[in-house]
Amino acid sequence: QQPVQSPQAVILREGEDAVINCSSSKALYSVHWYRQKHGEAPVFLMILLKGGEQKGHEKISASFNEKKQQSSLYLTASQLSYSGTYFCGTGNNDMRFGAGTRLTVKP
Amino acid sequence: DAGVTQSPTHLIKTRGQQVTLRCSPKSGHDTVSWYQQALGQGPQFIFQYYEEEERQRGNFPDRFSGHQFPNYSSELNVNALLLGDSALYLCASSFRTLSTEQFFGPGTRLTVL
Repeated sequence: QQPVQSPQAVILREGEDAVINCSSSKALYSVHWYRQKHGEAPVFLMILLKGGEQKGHEKISASFNEKKQQSSLYLTASQLSYSGTYFCGTGNNDMRFGAGTRLTVKP
Repeated sequence: DAGVTQSPTHLIKTRGQQVTLRCSPKSGHDTVSWYQQALGQGPQFIFQYYEEEERQRGNFPDRFSGHQFPNYSSELNVNALLLGDSALYLCASSFRTLSTEQFFGPGTRLTVL
């Protein structure tokens, strides 16, 4: 079962914040987050393994609520380089990806 | 340290033909997963190889098969190509399971005419 991401798309101005959500109807044991730019392969951002875990990567962080079977990706003070499509992936040895959230950061 | 590499970069085939795509994992990784990504969609899991065996398989027909070699590199074979097989095929490597980081190769763009 593939996770559900929201929103489908978001447009920001540089410096603004955004939140991308990922939820699953199945129990989650880990969540991966990736960013993919047009014409390129997905790039690994972070993995969350435990409920309640939060991680950060520059100004991008994520949380994992195991009980609610959801994860959120937080982008603060967005930069032009943050533009791309963000995917969450769930599963152990058979990763299922959400449909993606297209993020556009404008000057 | 080379990351995940894939070959070829692009491929054009006709319906009914067969294709083989190749992947070399990142150094230190022993697990290879294959994904199909259609335009505008998320990657779809095809299968995963570990210790030269298919460990898990997604919802893809038997026309899709694979192999992993002792050096952990892997091949994806697709027989009897259909127009709908046109997509970006991504290979990703990780260590042991997907409870660790997974790194993607640049992909092979397959076009079926």
